[in-house]
Amino acid sequence: GQSLEQPSEVTAVEGAIVQINCTYQTSGFYGLSWYQQHDGGAPTFLSYNALDGLEETGRFSSFLSRSDSYGYLLLQELQMKDSASYFCASRRRGSYIPTFGRGTSLIVHP
Amino acid sequence: NAGVTQTPKFQVLKTGQSMTLQCAQDMNHNSMYWYRQDPGMGLRLIYYSASEGTTDKGEVPNGYNVSRLNKREFSLRLESAAPSQTSVYFCASSEGLAGGFSYNEQFFGPGTRLTVL
Repeated sequence: GQSLEQPSEVTAVEGAIVQINCTYQTSGFYGLSWYQQHDGGAPTFLSYNALDGLEETGRFSSFLSRSDSYGYLLLQELQMKDSASYFCASRRRGSYIPTFGRGTSLIVHP
Repeated sequence: NAGVTQTPKFQVLKTGQSMTLQCAQDMNHNSMYWYRQDPGMGLRLIYYSASEGTTDKGEVPNGYNVSRLNKREFSLRLESAAPSQTSVYFCASSEGLAGGFSYNEQFFGPGTRLTVL
């Protein structure tokens, strides 16, 4: 089966750096992805890690450690518009369908 | 390109009524999905269609049926709505198997907010 754990809420100040963690238990783990969802909006893809290490995309980076069954999303130079929910999702070998975590609500304060 | 579109955006039903949620994508994707999202529960897969002509159950299929009408369209039907089906429903699409095992990014529609009284 698959299960993912992430904090329900994280708060941070504008301009700061924040890390959103995700631990997973996924048999036949293949990769970890991250999606962003603003209130009332649709989820949108942010990043994907299949290999250990850091993937950087602008202000956002995602990290994976397969040996620790752990990943995180790092958001730098936080902006008010980054206030949203962030979901990690794991993928199993042989399946292209992700299983989503319950999401982390990021609140950015001025 | 419109991406993934869903109709209606909002719907209120009475218990026992039926309705069909419509979804269409214009990205020539092979795979399509229906999710429901409830507070604190993340996205749960209801049904998916790996390719035109096939459909499979996801994590929470009870009370729902689907039809993959053609490559573009994938509908979700509630035959007899129940208050427990009050939720936000998202349709998504992806390249699917034809895209190999590179990451199969999902593209989501804007959602349908359904209330069952």
